[in-house]
Amino acid sequence: GDSVTQMEGPVTLSEEAFLTINCTYTATGYPSLFWYVQYPGEGLQLLLKATKADDKGSNKGFEATYRKETTSFHLEKGSVQVSDSAVYFCALRPGGGSQGNLIFGKGTKLSVKP
Amino acid sequence: DTAVSQTPKYLVTQMGNDKSIKCEQNLGHDTMYWYKQDSKKFLKIMFSYNNKELIINETVPNRFSPKSPDKAHLNLHINSLELGDSAVYFCASRGQASGRNTGELFFGEGSRLTVL
Repeated sequence: GDSVTQMEGPVTLSEEAFLTINCTYTATGYPSLFWYVQYPGEGLQLLLKATKADDKGSNKGFEATYRKETTSFHLEKGSVQVSDSAVYFCALRPGGGSQGNLIFGKGTKLSVKP
Repeated sequence: DTAVSQTPKYLVTQMGNDKSIKCEQNLGHDTMYWYKQDSKKFLKIMFSYNNKELIINETVPNRFSPKSPDKAHLNLHINSLELGDSAVYFCASRGQASGRNTGELFFGEGSRLTVL
């Protein structure tokens, strides 16, 4: 079945460091891909998304590119801030359609130190 | 206005009790969900409810029963609580997607259930 695998955390970085959180997926057809972020004590919220191969999603300085050839959707940010400390979830919606349920990765906790 | 709201935010109770968590969304969405997040932050879908059709995840014990009085509400009732039910429960909703709208999920803030 369809699945998402993301790097295990926790990831600890100093402020202004470069961030990469790896995410790979297994899916039939053409899924839509998402990154959600969960700040401490809050629910998940959409960070960015991409709906087809080579699309780049971006928001708040974060970017991720839908790579079909490597079935990846790695999250990157050039310079992290303490306020980016959160748990990040990679997710896919199977088949690229709009009605399927999201499949989430296990989450990666990021801690940014001043 | 909070788009997806859940109550209570914290719930501490004894084993064997019955409890409910309520969820309301004011987004006009057709589909609502309950997710369980364990201590390792792993998210597991429990139920989805779309226009009066309830889709149950077969791995969820039948002590868990969702109830939807109308499209804007999906409540979760749990009977005979067990220690392993301790988790954060998230409600979410999703609108009908069209075009490039991929039907983003909107989550509530979560309800932390602790069973003693």
